[in-house]
Amino acid sequence: EDQVTQSPEALRLQEGESSSLNCSYTVSGLRGLFWYRQDPGKGPEFLFTLYSAGEEKEKERLKATLTKKESFLHITAPKPEDSATYLCAGDSWGKLQFGAGTQVVVTP
Amino acid sequence: DGGITQSPKYLFRKEGQNVTLSCEQNLNHDAMYWYRQDPGQGLRLIYYSQIVNDFQKGDIAEGYSVSREKKESFPLTVTSAQKNPTAFYLCASSMGSSWDEQFFGPGTRLTVL
Repeated sequence: EDQVTQSPEALRLQEGESSSLNCSYTVSGLRGLFWYRQDPGKGPEFLFTLYSAGEEKEKERLKATLTKKESFLHITAPKPEDSATYLCAGDSWGKLQFGAGTQVVVTP
Repeated sequence: DGGITQSPKYLFRKEGQNVTLSCEQNLNHDAMYWYRQDPGQGLRLIYYSQIVNDFQKGDIAEGYSVSREKKESFPLTVTSAQKNPTAFYLCASSMGSSWDEQFFGPGTRLTVL
């Protein structure tokens, strides 16, 4: 059964304290691994797509990496505006399978 | 500005009533999707459509229905058969291929009274 698991469920960081979020997947026929950011009460906002093991993508303080079994979202020197829930999803034959998300809170 | 609109933002329904959620996009995307989000859970796919006049069931289609008569529009009806309809509903669209990123609307929060 296709499954996407994110850890930790919640993460509290001090401003400037770098950390990583994990997304492990068992999705047959994975064709892409997606990362989204979601603010409370809003729709998810697209961040990255990764297609093959070893691929990395960066955007401001965020960097996403992909291995054969998991993906990491690294947050470098976070700011309070990086507070959000980060979702990952694996594409399997036309449908996205989402993880439950990691809620990140960055305090000044 | 191109984007996806959903209406209404908040919706209240009495038990036993059907209700329709609107989703419109002006991105010229072929594919559209409906998801349900519950607290502590990931998004779950209800229905999706890759082309006008065609749609497929997702993982939790029971109690829901959709139509795709126009490329821009993909309304979702929550019927009285849906046993636990209170949730946050999200509409998304993508160019067409499943590996294209999906762009999401702002969501509709449905509460059954």
